[in-house]
Amino acid sequence: AQKITQTQPGMFVQEKEAVTLDCTYDTSDQSYGLFWYKQPSSGEMIFLIYQGSYDEQNATEGRYSLNFQKARKSANLVISASQLGDSAMYFCAMSVGTALIFGKGTTLSVSS
Amino acid sequence: GAGVSQTPSNKVTEKGKYVELRCDPISGHTALYWYRQSLGQGPEFLIYFQGTGAADDSGLPNDRFFAVRPEGSVSTLKIQRTERGDSAVYLCASSLTGGRGTEAFFGQGTRLTVV
Repeated sequence: AQKITQTQPGMFVQEKEAVTLDCTYDTSDQSYGLFWYKQPSSGEMIFLIYQGSYDEQNATEGRYSLNFQKARKSANLVISASQLGDSAMYFCAMSVGTALIFGKGTTLSVSS
Repeated sequence: GAGVSQTPSNKVTEKGKYVELRCDPISGHTALYWYRQSLGQGPEFLIYFQGTGAADDSGLPNDRFFAVRPEGSVSTLKIQRTERGDSAVYLCASSLTGGRGTEAFFGQGTRLTVV
């Protein structure tokens, strides 16, 4: 069965520090994609970063990087130099067929 | 507008009533998705359209839920005989082609409350 697990309900970090949000996945498919989305209190889902299962390099997008460890089936999100505006819910998601399967999310709180 | 638009943003309805939720995707996007997000949970897949056809409706919870996309753009999610357990945020997303690595753009959702 396809499944995404995010074990950290909440994370706290100080401004300018780096933070890692954990994500593990389960699939028997060889071809899949992994996504991270940010959901602020306004409710919209904002795409952050994507990693394909065949991509050899870890994906990076500005302050976001995805630490992809295929053998361990993990796809952790690293946010460098946290900002107050990073406070939000973060979802890891996987695409195998036509739909995205989401984890339960991690709430990130950034303090000054 | 440039993004995915969902109307209404909020809907309160009485148990047993019928509701329609509308999604206007990004122009030119052939793939359209509906998700349901309950409080404290991640979005849960409901249905996927490729063009006018429902390519995957495996996430619809029961036959009270139905969705259409007659002209391949705007989609309507229809819920009959609403129940209190249907209360959630209903999210719509669209993507250019619907391929595995294609980024999906989400609307701000419709918050449905069944009283």
